[in-house]
Amino acid sequence: AQSVTQLGSHVSVSEGALVLLRCNYSSSVPPYLFWYVQYPNQGLQLLLKYTTGATLVKGINGFEAEFKKSETSFHLTKPSAHMSDAAEYFCAVSETSGSARQLTFGSGTQLTVLP
Amino acid sequence: SQTIHQWPATLVQPVGSPLSLECTVEGTSNPNLYWYRQAAGRGLQLLFYSVGIGQISSEVPQNLSASRPQDRQFILSSKKLLLSDSGFYLCAWRKTGVNNEQFFGPGTRLTVL
Repeated sequence: AQSVTQLGSHVSVSEGALVLLRCNYSSSVPPYLFWYVQYPNQGLQLLLKYTTGATLVKGINGFEAEFKKSETSFHLTKPSAHMSDAAEYFCAVSETSGSARQLTFGSGTQLTVLP
Repeated sequence: SQTIHQWPATLVQPVGSPLSLECTVEGTSNPNLYWYRQAAGRGLQLLFYSVGIGQISSEVPQNLSASRPQDRQFILSSKKLLLSDSGFYLCAWRKTGVNNEQFFGPGTRLTVL
């Protein structure tokens, strides 16, 4: 069975500071990994994904994440936070086998950006 | 391009009343479809998924049900709502045979009073 742990349900950073949101996963087979963002009262939007190949993945809005197999991690970073980055962020994992290929989501991290 | 619609956007219903939420996808065929719920302060809970017309898998026992009467239509229903059914309901779709990315609809905010 696969699982996702997001350390820190709430993270606050100052505008212009580094954003680091942590995600660790467990999976019995090589995983596909995703980060989604959710703004209030909206659906989830895909930020970036790792499937195969380069372990450093760049996404939208200046975010990137690095897949580290030895650490079973997929942390999300952004060099300089912007007020518009305030939202909830979800890490998700999917095994590369299985018919419906469901996603398992972490519990989410609420990012607050302070002026 | 593909789009996903959910309606209604918001809904306030009394306890014991029925429920019907609708999700439709445009621009793709034979998608996998998913219903999730977000309760206040909690993460995403997968409720149902479907790999084809009439094929429904339930993840969590509850008083909700789902149906897929058409290829790109997914309906979430209840005969009698409970207070605990309040939450934000999200529909998602995924292409079959590719890298598991799911695309989410705008959601329905349900308040049961």
